[in-house]
Amino acid sequence: GAGVSQSPSNKVTEKGKDVELRCDPISGHTALYWYRQRLGQGLEFLIYFQGNSAPDKSGLPSDRFSAERTGESVSTLTIQRTQQEDSAVYLCASSLIGQETQYFGPGTRLLVL
Amino acid sequence: KQEVTQIPAALSVPEGENLVLNCSFTDSAIYNLQWFRQDPGKGLTSLLLIQSSQREQTSGRLNASLDKSSGRSTLYIAASQPGDSATYLCAVFTGTASKLTFGTGTRLQVTL
Repeated sequence: GAGVSQSPSNKVTEKGKDVELRCDPISGHTALYWYRQRLGQGLEFLIYFQGNSAPDKSGLPSDRFSAERTGESVSTLTIQRTQQEDSAVYLCASSLIGQETQYFGPGTRLLVL
Repeated sequence: KQEVTQIPAALSVPEGENLVLNCSFTDSAIYNLQWFRQDPGKGLTSLLLIQSSQREQTSGRLNASLDKSSGRSTLYIAASQPGDSATYLCAVFTGTASKLTFGTGTRLQVTL
């Protein structure tokens, strides 16, 4: 079946612009995660959605970052007033339920000039 | 705060060798531990998941062990192949935390 998909695959933007990243999880997966991977560094947790529960936003690095998910479908990660340090690969993952095997999308490579 | 460390950071072996990748974590109150591989320019692929109550999991040429009390896991790859070349990541769910904490990975190169 279809895996996790993300769009766009690459995004180049100018400092100060807003960007929106999209994640389509595997159908039926109730849990969805966003991670960030900066060049040469490990994955950093950003946010976690589980069904209709309040999301765990504890990993969001600043109030410029926000994410939404409607039910158990698509999620969008929005970065406002982008900064150069936001340049990274943004990875989305979904799992059937929380704390089980996570399936990752290919990521969105964001470059802020 | 959970911290996950992986050694070595990089490893190069000739084809056919057996090898071991190491992962250690500071908080032993984990729910499970997962091993992933990441290929350049691609997302992560789940390899093995070990629940906290388990000692090991096997999939083909891969065997992962878990010693929760000492905060260690190993990933054993038998008869390595060039196609095994990738970065291998270890990650843990800690207690009731809702997120995986990742190590920085081991970059493996298997040469002909």
